[in-house]
Amino acid sequence: AQSVTQPDIHITVSEGASLELRCNYSYGATPYLFWYVQSPGQGLQLLLKYFSGDTLVQGIKGFEAEFKRSQSSFNLRKPSVHWSDAAEYFCAVGHNTDKLIFGTGTRLQVFP
Amino acid sequence: GAVVSQHPSRVICKSGTSVKIECRSLDFQATTMFWYRQFPKQSLMLMATSNEGSKATYEQGVEKDKFLINHASLTLSTLTVTSAHPEDSSFYICSARVGLAGGPSAGELFFGEGSRLTVL
Repeated sequence: AQSVTQPDIHITVSEGASLELRCNYSYGATPYLFWYVQSPGQGLQLLLKYFSGDTLVQGIKGFEAEFKRSQSSFNLRKPSVHWSDAAEYFCAVGHNTDKLIFGTGTRLQVFP
Repeated sequence: GAVVSQHPSRVICKSGTSVKIECRSLDFQATTMFWYRQFPKQSLMLMATSNEGSKATYEQGVEKDKFLINHASLTLSTLTVTSAHPEDSSFYICSARVGLAGGPSAGELFFGEGSRLTVL
């Protein structure tokens, strides 16, 4: 079955600390992978995506993610978190942008 | 980036009534829009794919007569929850895909802010 797992429901970090949000997927074909961020009262915004090529993908707001086929993972990272990064983060997998399958999300809290 | 707007953002209705939610792409044309439902602490679940000028394609388990979708123009799709009941209370999110002629953002999805429906 196709699925996305985000093991961490809630993560709390201090401002300036590094961050890694985990995402594991199960997908029958070559996956298209996405990370979205959702701030309160706003729609989901695309942070980055992986279709093919270099497995380390750079996104907006200083985020990056690494596709590891052997581990079926697509973890999101940021070297230094800012208070404005507090939000809900969703990992998604699909074929292009059709029928995206989303994880349950990870809520990031940032302390000053 | 492109903007997708949903209206209303919050709606409360009585059981048995129908509610319409609008999804508009404000600065691009979207031949395809998607409707999702999100339960608390759960992921977004795709309900249906809406194509301009044709019938929507519903995911398994989604009642098409319950959730009416209309995509009458390249910038507007509507979701009508008919004869709403408390179990229909949820957060509904739409997304719109930029057409292939949409320049650098071609094929990309943009999401609305979501609409929270509460059925009493």
